[in-house]
Amino acid sequence: QSALTQPPSASGSLGQSVTISCTGTSNDVGRYTYVSWYQHHPGKAPKVLIYEVNKRPSGVPDRFSGSKSGNTASLTVSGLQADDEADYYCSSYAAISNYLFGSGTKVTVL
Amino acid sequence: EVQFLESGGGLVQPGGSLRLSCAGSGFTFNGYAMAWVRHSPVKGLEWVSSMDGSGLHTYYPDSVKDRFTISRDDSKNTLYLLLSSLRADDTALYYCAKPHTNWPFDAFEMWGQGTMVTVSS
Repeated sequence: QSALTQPPSASGSLGQSVTISCTGTSNDVGRYTYVSWYQHHPGKAPKVLIYEVNKRPSGVPDRFSGSKSGNTASLTVSGLQADDEADYYCSSYAAISNYLFGSGTKVTVL
Repeated sequence: EVQFLESGGGLVQPGGSLRLSCAGSGFTFNGYAMAWVRHSPVKGLEWVSSMDGSGLHTYYPDSVKDRFTISRDDSKNTLYLLLSSLRADDTALYYCAKPHTNWPFDAFEMWGQGTMVTVSS
């Protein structure tokens, strides 16, 4: 039950884009469409940005988009804003009756 | 407005126990799946436990199985997490969370603000 693998850090300039990868296995990311992405400012409640690979909850701007290919999911944040500086976590349902989070990526806005 | 308020955290010695509570306002727990997720600087976010809407089925990762117990009291609109045989690596901020749908493993769309558990001698 290892965490999904994410790069520890990523960065982009204001207005630019950044893409974060999330690598799992054929038993989690590769098998299921239940991949989600969360934004987390430590000490505050996480916020879901993407669910079911590429769906956005109401209120989440379309600057946030998700995709998946094989065992790897990705989150792209376009038009970076200062407030996007946060930790980002992917997650996936995993067989059997298990839920995995990614290792987390700290995004810095330059 | 839906809010979850966690409480019950604190400092506990290794091997000790603690019961966390999550009280809902503007929301009725009855019939809804719920979960606990924790965050620590070392491990990041970690799923800790889920319960289905009926309350009859509970789920845990191996790291806490047989040590943690999730439960609910719908009459009090409160979710609980009993932590026992606590270890230093259980130190974290514990959140209660509600899945997007009534499937226990769906994305967590609502979260509380968390209650801190510190395990140390």
